Amino acid sequence: TQLLEQSPQFLSIQEGENLTVYCNSSSVFSSLQWYRQEPGEGPVLLVTVVTGGEVKKLKRLTFQFGDARKDSSLHITAAQPGDTGLYLCAGEEGGGADGLTFGKGTHLIIQP
Amino acid sequence: NAGVMQNPRHLVRRRGQEARLRCSPMKGHSHVYWYRQLPEEGLKFMVYLQKENIIDESGMPKERFSAEFPKEGPSILRIQQVVRGDSAAYFCASSPSLAGRDTQYFGPGTRLTVL
Repeated sequence: TQLLEQSPQFLSIQEGENLTVYCNSSSVFSSLQWYRQEPGEGPVLLVTVVTGGEVKKLKRLTFQFGDARKDSSLHITAAQPGDTGLYLCAGEEGGGADGLTFGKGTHLIIQP
Repeated sequence: NAGVMQNPRHLVRRRGQEARLRCSPMKGHSHVYWYRQLPEEGLKFMVYLQKENIIDESGMPKERFSAEFPKEGPSILRIQQVVRGDSAAYFCASSPSLAGRDTQYFGPGTRLTVL
């Protein structure tokens, strides 16, 4: 079973600061997805990265997939209180495996 | 286009009762996945279904749990003789085709509490 380790587990910063959260594995994934989950709701997809070294930008969010497709990072520029939430990374193994493998998430709090 | 629908959103059962969780995939999606999220844990894959077929149930407990996705109607996750350890949030996701080519879209979840 492949595992995804997310760090940090908890992060609380002031509005306007930058931050990076990480998603690491010793295994290769065919694709990796980042989700954001609000309390009491389901995960909402932010981005899917497929190619090693790929970088995708979504407004103030920048997602990078490692060259070896084993790790990923999410960088938020000028964080806003609305960015507060649980950020989950999920990997797809490919090769016939069907379910996503999720990390435990990073709980992010942006204080005004 | 409506998203993935799950009902009920909250379900309370006493030990020994049965729980039925329903999931209606997004329109045009024929692939359904069920995940379980325990407190302070990540989402864990349980089962993957296509219409009338279970494709992968490697993440589902062997006893008391079953899933179906009939030709007509929603997918059902059924838990018989619930125990307190079954208390969790159960999420359904759907995709239009095989995972790896399309993204999974999640529903709002059903929060099961076993008293």
